Amino acid sequence: QKEVEQNSGPLSVPEGAIASLNCTYSDRGSQSFFWYRQYSGKSPELIMFIYSNGDKEDGRFTAQLNKASQYVSLLIRDSQPSDSATYLCAVKSMEYGNKLVFGAGTILRVKS
Amino acid sequence: DGGITQSPKYLFRKEGQNVTLSCEQNLNHDAMYWYRQDPGQGLRLIYYSQIVNDFQKGDIAEGYSVSREKKESFPLTVTSAQKNPTAFYLCASSRRTTSSTDTQYFGPGTRLTVL
Repeated sequence: QKEVEQNSGPLSVPEGAIASLNCTYSDRGSQSFFWYRQYSGKSPELIMFIYSNGDKEDGRFTAQLNKASQYVSLLIRDSQPSDSATYLCAVKSMEYGNKLVFGAGTILRVKS
Repeated sequence: DGGITQSPKYLFRKEGQNVTLSCEQNLNHDAMYWYRQDPGQGLRLIYYSQIVNDFQKGDIAEGYSVSREKKESFPLTVTSAQKNPTAFYLCASSRRTTSSTDTQYFGPGTRLTVL
């Protein structure tokens, strides 16, 4: 069983819409959760992280964490074509010696 | 400018050759990591190091070797024992691994192709 699961997509949204990216994880002891954006052929860049249940907002991005459901999501408001990329969810797992476990990523396409 | 550099950007290897990928950081981070990324897959950890002169195997260490002689540098050698080395290799660093709030930052990557 994969430890971090993401829908591979592609997720297509029109420009200006809200994009919702989801991630589930298996280790109930996981404490911190990270979202990275990766453009084609480039390295991942950190968008935001979240440690506590609830929402965390940073500009157009909102991370949502529900530890009871083992679910973390990333909302992108007012999506722009420049948001088109692969979004990687990463979980710091105690089962994995507190190292990062990455999902395979969700491809997002924002159509103008 | 603070950051992580990797070289070369592209690398071609013949069968049976060893090649070394460079990773340097000037962020004064204690921990450094090597990941491999294949198409459609997440990042997989090859090796990591928390302090100088110490490193641990990740999930897919077979066919790879590393050294950590300086805090700033963590080179990765892909040996001829690695049967399928064609991939995108990413180096990352962080302040320390023991904190759950520790954040990893990535270098630009090296794309290795076996001819």
